[in-house]
Amino acid sequence: RKEVEQDPGPFNVPEGATVAFNCTYSNSASQSFFWYRQDCRKEPKLLMSVYSSGNEDGRFTAQLNRASQYISLLIRDSKLSDSATYLCVVIPPKGNFNKFYFGSGTKLNVKP
Amino acid sequence: EPEVTQTPSHQVTQMGQEVILRCVPISNHLYFYWYRQILGQKVEFLVSFYNNEISEKSEIFDDQFSVERPDGSNFTLKIRSTKLEDSAMYFCASSNRRGTDTQYFGPGTRLTVL
Repeated sequence: RKEVEQDPGPFNVPEGATVAFNCTYSNSASQSFFWYRQDCRKEPKLLMSVYSSGNEDGRFTAQLNRASQYISLLIRDSKLSDSATYLCVVIPPKGNFNKFYFGSGTKLNVKP
Repeated sequence: EPEVTQTPSHQVTQMGQEVILRCVPISNHLYFYWYRQILGQKVEFLVSFYNNEISEKSEIFDDQFSVERPDGSNFTLKIRSTKLEDSAMYFCASSNRRGTDTQYFGPGTRLTVL
């Protein structure tokens, strides 16, 4: 089983739509979670950390469900500039604390 | 805003040749990483480096790979004898603390092995 799994998409949505992505992880003791976005042929850029209590940053909301081992990202009022690949990142338990495990990414296309 | 820089942006080499990819991490960061991304695939961890030594490496990081921090600012990845399958985007990253801290990525070096 892969450490981190994401639906590759693409998700094709109109401007203004609300869209949600999920990501599942295999190691229940994983300790930290992030969402990064990656534009075509560019580096991953931090979108937001994911806290146990859930967190919101403007139009973006991230949630963690430890019982079901998934994290989610909700984007409200989608903009054309939100078109990108969204990468789920998990840090495994202590002992492997230095490396990020990346999901394969979920591609989002926001259309006018 | 401080950022990670990488040079060159694109490197083309012949199979069997040695390449050195260079990175300048964010200046007050202490933890350094290399990742690679083969075209169309996910980002994969290669190695992490702290206090002038490797702290963890993946199974990809075999004897053909090495890392070095030759001075106070640069962090390099060397591939001794490149293979076709080494063609990928190589990202350097750095973080201020270990463990759960955010990693900041450089723009990457696209390596093409012919």
